[in-house]
Amino acid sequence: GQQVMQIPQYQHVQEGEDFTTYCNSSTTLSNIQWYKQRPGGHPVFLIQLVKSGEVKKQKRLTFQFGEAKKNSSLHITATQTTDVGTYFCAGRGSGGSNYKLTFGKGTLLTVNP
Amino acid sequence: SAVISQKPSRDICQRGTSLTIQCQVDSQVTMMFWYRQQPGQSLTLIATANQGSEATYESGFVIDKFPISRPNLTFSTLTVSNMSPEDSSIYLCSVAILRPGGSGNTIYFGEGSWLTVV
Repeated sequence: GQQVMQIPQYQHVQEGEDFTTYCNSSTTLSNIQWYKQRPGGHPVFLIQLVKSGEVKKQKRLTFQFGEAKKNSSLHITATQTTDVGTYFCAGRGSGGSNYKLTFGKGTLLTVNP
Repeated sequence: SAVISQKPSRDICQRGTSLTIQCQVDSQVTMMFWYRQQPGQSLTLIATANQGSEATYESGFVIDKFPISRPNLTFSTLTVSNMSPEDSSIYLCSVAILRPGGSGNTIYFGEGSWLTVV
């Protein structure tokens, strides 16, 4: 079955440093979504990438979808303490009509003020 | 988007008992799902809750352990049966909303039900 690998598992940074998490799928994806889960909270949708090579920005967050639609990254510029949380990627396989997503294991980001 | 309410938000349960989690959505949605998130882990899909028919379970999950109801397009329940400490998890209800222009769908999650089995 489809697998989505995400690295690193943990990342600790000083406030102001950059942060990147990477996702890699075992199969080609139709789209990939990113979620943020604050400690004690539930996953919150951040963005969806659909097109090959797509790049989207949300303020200090930059999301990329690889040309082969098998990998993706989330980059945060100049981290702040409010960025703390676990970032999950979730991929939807190409083909078929179901809405099932496969989640990566997530990257826990901690930020030292 | 969708507003998803889950009850209970937290519970401590005795081993061997069963607990039913309710999920209410503020609009009619076709696709509803139940996920499990064990402590410090990622999200694992338990099943797709189908309106008017039996849920579709993922590998490793069975109806006897996780019976699901979906009586209409805004409501679903998940029961965790004969609980053991290994069932201590966050259980999340989610829905898929089609994005404008048909560019795929977005999954929205409820706030989760945090179960601890003792």
